[in-house]
Amino acid sequence: GENVEQHPSTLSVQEGDSAVIKCTYSDSASNYFPWYKQELGKRPQLIIDIRSNVGEKKDQRIAVTLNKTAKHFSLHITETQPEDSAVYFCAGDNYGQNFVFGPGTRLSVLP
Amino acid sequence: NAGVTQTPKFRVLKTGQSMTLLCAQDMNHEYMYWYRQDPGMGLRLIHYSVGEGTTAKGEVPDGYNVSRLKKQNFLLGLESAAPSQTSVYFCASSYPGANTEAFFGQGTRLTVV
Repeated sequence: GENVEQHPSTLSVQEGDSAVIKCTYSDSASNYFPWYKQELGKRPQLIIDIRSNVGEKKDQRIAVTLNKTAKHFSLHITETQPEDSAVYFCAGDNYGQNFVFGPGTRLSVLP
Repeated sequence: NAGVTQTPKFRVLKTGQSMTLLCAQDMNHEYMYWYRQDPGMGLRLIHYSVGEGTTAKGEVPDGYNVSRLKKQNFLLGLESAAPSQTSVYFCASSYPGANTEAFFGQGTRLTVV
């Protein structure tokens, strides 16, 4: 089955700087790679996703890139704000049956 | 439109007790999932279902059972709770195929003493 690794486990940035979180996956058959944001005490919520036929996707300050050859994908947040502080999870689909999540990255945006 | 609702939100169990967690979704989703979340370990899949009447094991199924008798409900049972099952449990649902957004419930914080 699919295995997803995620780095770093914690990340601190100054407000206004950029943040990058990287994930690798093991199964070349995976086609869908979502990113979830989880605020303290809340449920995970989708912030952006990318499919295997696309190399990059942007949504305002958030972007995701995918390198299928290297089997890695990254989340980029520009102009970080305090409300970006949260735990971020990457995931990959497991033969379309379920989602396998990375261990998470705790992002702290310092004022 | 409530989305995905979990019952209960909090529970404390004694070792050896049993309980059932209920997940209900009103989005007509085919796929439903139960995950547990532990510090530093992300979300780990316990069991999942690809349709009414079907269930399958995930990464960490031991000690848990599930049932999907109705399309909108997915039940997670603990027959004999152990302290190692202390965790936050999340239910999620999605349209057919794990290639679209999964919607999560608000979570159930379970403590086994």
